[in-house]
Amino acid sequence: GQNIDQPTEMTATEGAIVQINCTYQTSGFNGLFWYQQHAGEAPTFLSYNVLDGLEEKGRFSSFLSRSKGYSYLLLKELQMKDSASYLCAVMDSNYQLIWGAGTKLIIKP
Amino acid sequence: NAGVMQNPRHLVRRRGQEARLRCSPMKGHSHVYWYRQLPEEGLKFMVYLQKENIIDESGMPKERFSAEFPKEGPSILRIQQVVRGDSAAYFCASSPPEAGGSGANVLTFGAGSRLTVL
Repeated sequence: GQNIDQPTEMTATEGAIVQINCTYQTSGFNGLFWYQQHAGEAPTFLSYNVLDGLEEKGRFSSFLSRSKGYSYLLLKELQMKDSASYLCAVMDSNYQLIWGAGTKLIIKP
Repeated sequence: NAGVMQNPRHLVRRRGQEARLRCSPMKGHSHVYWYRQLPEEGLKFMVYLQKENIIDESGMPKERFSAEFPKEGPSILRIQQVVRGDSAAYFCASSPPEAGGSGANVLTFGAGSRLTVL
C-alpha cells in the first residue's frame, strides 16, 4: 500500500530552527509537496521537490532524497505565526496526491 | 482574483438529511478536487473532476456520495442520508488545465466546508 509518515507533533522555540521529516512509500513518484495549514483554514502551498537536493525559499527550505524515500522541511528563525500543521504529500505514478496526516508544530516564546 | 470559493463554510444536518457542498474554482482553473479531513488527520482524496466529467472517483464512498461539475456553475459534492461519521471538513481544490497530469500540479485550496451531523 501507499504510505506517508511524518511526526504527529513537534515543539520548538521562537527564533530557533526546526526540521520536519517525511518518509514515503508510493507507487511511483512525480514530486513531493509541503503545505502549511493553520487551524480551521485551507492548506497553502509551501514547496515542491521532484529532484534530489535542497530547495531554499526564504526562511523555509525543503530537501528530497528519492533513493531514501525521504524529505524534510526546514524552518529557520521561527516565528509565532509558524504555529500550524505541515502536510507532506507525494504525487504517485497516476498523478494522484497521497497525503500524510500532518505534523502539528507548536512554537513557544 | 477571488481564489477557490466554498460554501457553506459551516453546515449542520441531522442524521438522514442531505448535505450539498459547493465549490467554485479559481478563475481559469478547470480541474476540481474534493478532499475530506477528519480532526487531527490528513487529507483524504475523494474525487477529481473536470467540467462535465468525473476523472477519478476512487476515493468516494460507493453509496450516498456523489459529485458533479456542470458546464455552468460550481462543483457540488452531495451527501445523502448523512450519518454522524460524515462529520468532517470537506476541502475543494482547483488547478489550471495545463497542470492536469503534470508533476508540478500545485493545488489551490478553498477554506473548506465543515459539516456537523447531529
